[in-house]
Amino acid sequence: QVQLIQSGAEVKKPGASVKVSCKVSGYTLTELSMHWVRQAPGKGLEWVGGFDPEDGEAIYAQKFQGRVTMTEDTSADTAYMEMSSLRSDDTAVYFCATGWNAFDIWGQGTIITVSS
Amino acid sequence: AIQMTQSPSSLSASVGDRVTITCRASQDIRYDLSWYQQKPGKAPRLLIYAASITQGGVPSRFSGSGSGTDFFLTISSLQPEDFASYYCLQDSNYPWTFGQGTIVEI
Repeated sequence: QVQLIQSGAEVKKPGASVKVSCKVSGYTLTELSMHWVRQAPGKGLEWVGGFDPEDGEAIYAQKFQGRVTMTEDTSADTAYMEMSSLRSDDTAVYFCATGWNAFDIWGQGTIITVSS
Repeated sequence: AIQMTQSPSSLSASVGDRVTITCRASQDIRYDLSWYQQKPGKAPRLLIYAASITQGGVPSRFSGSGSGTDFFLTISSLQPEDFASYYCLQDSNYPWTFGQGTIVEI
């Protein structure tokens, strides 16, 4: 059974950076295309970015370009999402998601709180 | 970017009701649409992919239809556990985009 296990909650000050991890259990990261989705408190789901299986390149939503970097450590079957220059409106739950049929596998979510 | 307009934003219904949620894409996305259910404090759960294929383990009362720009999620007979939020997602073109969500409440 494939599982995605994310790192724990973080509290950051405005302007700081955060790096969230997502470990794949029960499968191999190289066989999956990992994406990240966030959800601000009381709001809807927002696609942050993901890896295009055609060329393995990371693609980001325009609003995050320049502030988000997605990487993978295939030896550890772990994906990472790093966000810099954090603002209060980046406070959200961040999910990693992947699968063979759209997003049929999700991590449990990581709460990132940005507050001075 | 492709805009996904989901409606209604919320609806009130009763157990046993038939419920339909709509997602409209700003351009043709073929069948590249999936539907998710989310309950408070939980990760979303895939219900439907490729517009109309029900994910394994999902009750048969959930169905999806549509193609091109207009898509529908139907719950044929609402059950107590179906009260939740629902989202569509287009994965036809980058950036992938979600609908704004529909809250199904009593």
